[in-house]
Amino acid sequence: AQTVTQSQPEMSVQEAETVTLSCTYDTSESDYYLFWYKQPPSRQMILVIRQEAYKQQNATENRFSVNFQKAAKSFSLKISDSQLGDAAMYFCAYRSKYGGSQGNLIFGKGTKLSVKP
Amino acid sequence: DTAVSQTPKYLVTQMGNDKSIKCEQNLGHDTMYWYKQDSKKFLKIMFSYNNKELIINETVPNRFSPKSPDKAHLNLHINSLELGDSAVYFCASSPRGAGANVLTFGAGSRLTVL
Repeated sequence: AQTVTQSQPEMSVQEAETVTLSCTYDTSESDYYLFWYKQPPSRQMILVIRQEAYKQQNATENRFSVNFQKAAKSFSLKISDSQLGDAAMYFCAYRSKYGGSQGNLIFGKGTKLSVKP
Repeated sequence: DTAVSQTPKYLVTQMGNDKSIKCEQNLGHDTMYWYKQDSKKFLKIMFSYNNKELIINETVPNRFSPKSPDKAHLNLHINSLELGDSAVYFCASSPRGAGANVLTFGAGSRLTVL
């Protein structure tokens, strides 16, 4: 079974600085998808960025980028120019390429990010 | 317009009661999900329906029964509520096909059992 590990329960960053959130995963599959979701205090789960395992190029979305190391099974999220609105819980998630019971999102335990003004 | 809507957003009830949480999506997605987020913020899949057919049923007490009257709705009914059922329940949906398709989540329903 696949697992997702986020080793940093909490992180803090100064406004305008850069922070990297770590995520590792375990799978025997060669093709899959990885995601970062953000959950602000409003509780809404918001997709930040996603990566398809067969793509070597790291995904980027404005100030958010990932460092995807497939061999190391690592998928870290870098937030540049941090803003107060970035403060939230961040969840790393894995999804098998295949459907059925393998098709659901498997989440890590989350990293709580604080942004200091 | 809200893409995935859940009602109610907050629910406080006594042990032993039966309650339901409703979910509707207007995205035309084929697959819907229920996730449970516990007090430590851990999110775990409970159920998944694809076009009204159950495809994922994790180890969940049979007091929990999902019902999908059509592919736009997936309701969660809970019988004989227990203290441990207190959590935030998220509904989500995704389009046809696995993998690349992104889940869109509702805002969550916080259930408190007293």
